[in-house]
Amino acid sequence: AQSVTQLDSQVPVFEEAPVELRCNYSSSVSVYLFWYVQYPNQGLQLLLKYLSGSTLVKGINGFEAEFNKSQTSFHLRKPSVHISDTAEYFCAVSDKGGGFKTIFGAGTRLFVKA
Amino acid sequence: GAVVSQHPSWVICKSGTSVKIECRSLDFQATTMFWYRQFPKQSLMLMATSNEGSKATYEQGVEKDKFLINHASLTLSTLTVTSAHPEDSSFYICSAVVAGGVTNEQFFGPGTRLTVL
Repeated sequence: AQSVTQLDSQVPVFEEAPVELRCNYSSSVSVYLFWYVQYPNQGLQLLLKYLSGSTLVKGINGFEAEFNKSQTSFHLRKPSVHISDTAEYFCAVSDKGGGFKTIFGAGTRLFVKA
Repeated sequence: GAVVSQHPSWVICKSGTSVKIECRSLDFQATTMFWYRQFPKQSLMLMATSNEGSKATYEQGVEKDKFLINHASLTLSTLTVTSAHPEDSSFYICSAVVAGGVTNEQFFGPGTRLTVL
């Protein structure tokens, strides 16, 4: 069985500061990894995904994430955040082997302060 | 890019009535769609997997007779909440996977806010 742990429920940060949202997963098989963002009362939007290959993945809005297989982590980073980045961020894992079922983490609330 | 719509975006109904929520893939075909439920400040809880032309697969603890899912075409899945009660009030989100896609990326609808009075 797979699981996803987002280590921080809330991350407050000042505008233009760097941020890292942490995500650890567990799985007995190879996986795809995703980060989604959710703005209030909206669905989820894909920020980036790791399928294979380079462990550093770049996404939209200046976000990037690094896949670390030995630490089973997929932390999300942004070097300089904006007020508009305030949202809920979800890490997710999906089994490569078959089916499309995706397991989501509990979410991290990023709050950017002026 | 792949767009998923949901209708309605919000609905208020009386206790005991049924509510139907539609999920459409607008510019692609989706053999598989998912229905999630999200409580305030919580993550998405998978309710069921909807496969075109076959019965939905429900997650443990989700009542099949209460949450009826129909995936009648490659672009439409519906969720009907039957005999709704206040505890069914929630944010319902659907997602779709591109038919023949090589990854498991899901494209999400904007969600439907259901309030049962």
